[in-house]
Amino acid sequence: NAGVTQTPKFQVLKTGQSMTLQCAQDMNHEYMSWYRQDPGMGLRLIHYSVGAGITDQGEVPNGYNVSRSTTEDFPLRLLSAAPSQTSVYFCASSSPGRRGRANTGELFFGEGSRLTVL
Amino acid sequence: QKEVEQDPGPLSVPEGAIVSLNCTYSNSAFQYFMWYRQYSRKGPELLMYTYSSGNKEDGRFTAQVDKSSKYISLFIRDSQPSDSATYLCAMRQTGANNLFFGTGTRLTVIP
Repeated sequence: NAGVTQTPKFQVLKTGQSMTLQCAQDMNHEYMSWYRQDPGMGLRLIHYSVGAGITDQGEVPNGYNVSRSTTEDFPLRLLSAAPSQTSVYFCASSSPGRRGRANTGELFFGEGSRLTVL
Repeated sequence: QKEVEQDPGPLSVPEGAIVSLNCTYSNSAFQYFMWYRQYSRKGPELLMYTYSSGNKEDGRFTAQVDKSSKYISLFIRDSQPSDSATYLCAMRQTGANNLFFGTGTRLTVIP
């Protein structure tokens, strides 16, 4: 299993440009999420999804869109990039608890996408 | 006030030292507590997981949760240079998937 795969690993954008960060997981996880990590701020939740066709906002959703058409994929779209969106973006997935098994809440993270907006 | 507070460090210790990492939180509904380890330029990986109050030990690592004080700790015994990483605490409520993270503490273990 590849786990959680993010592309691209690095990207430089100009202010106002749009782009999509791709995320795919092969663990059949129902829950997927996007975080951004900034110095002194930790990991902050942008958007999340509990299954195909279902998405919701996290702590810092402004300027980002998501969709979940399949269980495997959860792309993050930057509509009009701003310097404040310079960050490292992480996609993560987890599996909810099954009958008789507790959900530890373990998130499996990708290796991150480093985005710079000039 | 952030829901989870963590001293960002950085923390530098000699090899073999005992390391104590801590987080405080404000939401009394948190029931699941985790520690993630993040190596440089990598994604975080789950290190320890604890449900509700109490202690949990795994090799050189011990996680403690004191819900009455809203305080969690991670202890690393006989620290090794390979333990050098950023440690993030995380927690969530029962029935919720979303985790709330601390800012992370950067640890360096000097050989």
